[in-house]
Parts: sequence; structure tokens; C-alpha cells
Amino acid sequence: ETGVTQSPTHLIKTRGQQVTLRCSSQSGHNTVSWYQQALGQGPQFIFQYYREEENGRGNFPPRFSGLQFPNYSSELNVNALELDDSALYLCASSSATGGVETQYFGPGTRLLVL
Amino acid sequence: AQSVTQLDSHVSVSEGTPVLLRCNYSSSYSPSLFWYVQHPNKGLQLLLKYTSAATLVKGINGFEAEFKKSETSFHLTKPSAHMSDAAEYFCVVTLSYNTDKLIFGTGTRLQVFP
Repeated sequence: ETGVTQSPTHLIKTRGQQVTLRCSSQSGHNTVSWYQQALGQGPQFIFQYYREEENGRGNFPPRFSGLQFPNYSSELNVNALELDDSALYLCASSSATGGVETQYFGPGTRLLVL
Repeated sequence: AQSVTQLDSHVSVSEGTPVLLRCNYSSSYSPSLFWYVQHPNKGLQLLLKYTSAATLVKGINGFEAEFKKSETSFHLTKPSAHMSDAAEYFCVVTLSYNTDKLIFGTGTRLQVFP
């Protein structure tokens, strides 16, 4: 176990709704990254937060947004859900030191959009 | 742009025989490379990491990988497969220089038969 937790574990929403996913980072880590893993695919980088600021974004539309809190936990928000948003959403935490740090992944939240 | 290509979507081996999971990378700079494993209904776990030190990298559970710049490869090997090795394996490269944002391959599913 990595110490990274995510909630909820599973979620069912309908198209057009909004969803919030939560992530608690491993103790001592100040960076959280979010990834989307569609069925049968590798995870894709959504964005990263470092000390409450967005620190890089992948090829995802603005309806994917996030927050990081002073305790370094994080939220991923998705507005106007589409069927293709159905996926496993993974968060990963790391301790940014200016180099290539190892990311530690949580178990994920599985989102189904109907 | 950075990318990784996993050459086999499925690999099947018998327990006790060697494992070879193949990965080629494309990078405009000297990359950092990783192998992660994902067991069913579990989060991603780091197997090993290459960051321009020794080209032969030893990881957990008897896995190792060799960075070959001339072949742009980073293949994962294990001398003797165990039933518990059955999982999805991802070859991963960093998004850009000196960052921990990750680009994942499409994955290789390893089956181990008794």
C-alpha cells in the first residue's frame, strides 16, 4: 500500500452531470497528479498540482478542473459529463524536489457515465 | 514528443520460465523510464526506475530492465515467472526533461500458466 487514498471507489453518473473525485496524498508529499485510464488503455496525464497551484496539464478540456488544499489533498472536478469520461481515475502523489520523483498511486475511482 | 511503445499486448509464460516484456521509447532528450505493474482492482505499483545512472536497473520481485540507448529500448525481464506475476505491466517515460509527469504505454498483460 502506498498511503494514497481516493474516494469514492465507484461512482455512477448520467451524461451532463458534474462529479468530484477526491485524493489524499501520502504523508510528506506536496504534489498530486491525476490520470485517466480508459478500459484497456494506459493512464493518461490530466494535470498536476504543486503547493495548491496547477503545475502542468495534459490534453484534456477545461471542463476537467482541479484543486489542491493546504494539506496537499486534491479534488478532480469534471463538468458536463460525457459517455467517454467513463474510466478509472487515478491520483498519484510525490515529493517535488526539482528532479524526477517517483509517483505513488492510489487505487483509483471507477466512474461510469450513463 | 515523448512516447513509449509496448511491443506485445499479451505475453503468456509457464511458471518458472523467463519473462520478457518489450518496450521501445522515443525521446528528444535523455529520458527517465519506469515500469509499473497493475494487479486487478489494485493501484499501480512501481517496479523499477531508470534516471541516467546504471543502465541495468534492478527492481522489486526479481524484475530488472536494461536501458539501451542505441536500440531505444527498455525491456523488462525476470529469470523465473511466478503465478503472482500475472498482471498488467506498463512502460512509462517522463513527459519532459526533469519532471515527474508521466506518459504510459498501452500495457502488456502477462499470463502465467502452472
